[in-house]
Formats: sequence, structure tokens, C-alpha cells
Amino acid sequence: GQNIDQPTEMTATEGAIVQINCTYQTSGFNGLFWYQQHAGEAPTFLSYNVLDGLEEKGRFSSFLSRSKGYSYLLLKELQMKDSASYLCAISSGDSSYKLIFGSGTRLLVRP
Amino acid sequence: NAGVTQTPKFQVLKTGQSMTLQCAQDMNHEYMSWYRQDPGMGLRLIHYSVGAGITDQGEVPNGYNVSRSTTEDFPLRLLSAAPSQTSVYFCASSYSLPGLAVPYGTDTQYFGPGTRLTVL
Repeated sequence: GQNIDQPTEMTATEGAIVQINCTYQTSGFNGLFWYQQHAGEAPTFLSYNVLDGLEEKGRFSSFLSRSKGYSYLLLKELQMKDSASYLCAISSGDSSYKLIFGSGTRLLVRP
Repeated sequence: NAGVTQTPKFQVLKTGQSMTLQCAQDMNHEYMSWYRQDPGMGLRLIHYSVGAGITDQGEVPNGYNVSRSTTEDFPLRLLSAAPSQTSVYFCASSYSLPGLAVPYGTDTQYFGPGTRLTVL
């Protein structure tokens, strides 16, 4: 099975940088996804990592270490609109290709 | 393209009633899935399908049935509603299987707007 851990809540200041961590245990691994979800809305795709290293997309970057079972999402130049939940998800490698989500991290950006 | 559509947006049921949540996509996606989201618990996978005629169980399948007779539609049936099934239900789809992005990016999940279900 899979186990995915993320902090429940984080608070940061507008204009700052915040790092949201995700640790996982899985019997196999096909890739790790990050999704953003604003309150009352559906999740939307942010990033995808399948190899070790950093993937950068504008103000958002995501890092993966497969040997450590660890990923983080880095948000730079925080804006008020970044207040949302950030969901880490794993595609397992047991040939089922299930996409399993963590509980999510609720980020509050303050002025 | 309408993307992923879900109906109804809201539903109230009494314990023991049955109903079907509808999900449709017009992007010719092979992979479709159903999640439920409860406060503080993230998204939990109920059932998924890798193509027409093929379905499989996720993390929390009990009390739910699915079928996939066409590529476009993936309905979720609640057999006998219970208060524990009060939740927000999301349907999602992608062109390829999660983690099998060929070409790159085709396994991005597109989510429907959700159905808010209350079981009394």
C-alpha cells in the first residue's frame, strides 16, 4: 500500500517563499504530482516529478528524491491568491496505476 | 470542449436510497476515476477505469458501484446511501494512466466541479 504525509497547515507572508513537504512510502513508484485546490473548487494540476531533481514552472518548483521518498513544492513571491490547499499524489508502481492523494496542506498567505 | 462534467451539483438523500452520480468527459480520455473528499482527509480513490469495459477498486470502494460502457461516461452508483457517504465527490480523467505519461503531460488529471452529497 501507500502512505503519504504532508503538514496539515502552514502560514506564510505575502512576497515570501514557502516550502511544502511531502514524504511517502509506496511499494512501487511511477511518479509524484502536486495539485492546488482552492476552497470549494476542484483540484488543478501544478507539477509532476518522475526523476530525481527539481522541476521549475514560473513561481512554482517541485523537487523529488526517490531514494528518500521525499518531495517538496516551493512557492516563491507568494501572492494572496496562493492561499489554497496543496495536494501531493503518488502513482503507484504495482501495475495498477492508481493515483493516491495525501491529506493536503492548507496554506494561508497573510498580508 | 466542456471538459469533465458532473451532475448533479448538490444532492440530499435519505438513508437507504440509491442514486447515480453522473460523470462525462469529451476529451477522449482513457483513464477515469472517482474520489470522495471529506474535511481533513484529502481525496480518497473510490473506483477507477483504464478504458471502456475495465474498472477496478480504489481505496474505499465499499457501498459504490461503477461501470464504463463508453469512453465518455463513468457513472458512480450508491447502492443504499448511508450518512457516512456524506461527502464531496469528484470525477477525474486523463488521456493516459497516471505516471505513464507518453507523451509527457498526458497523465494530468482533469477534475470535474464536484457533487456535494448529504445523506440524512
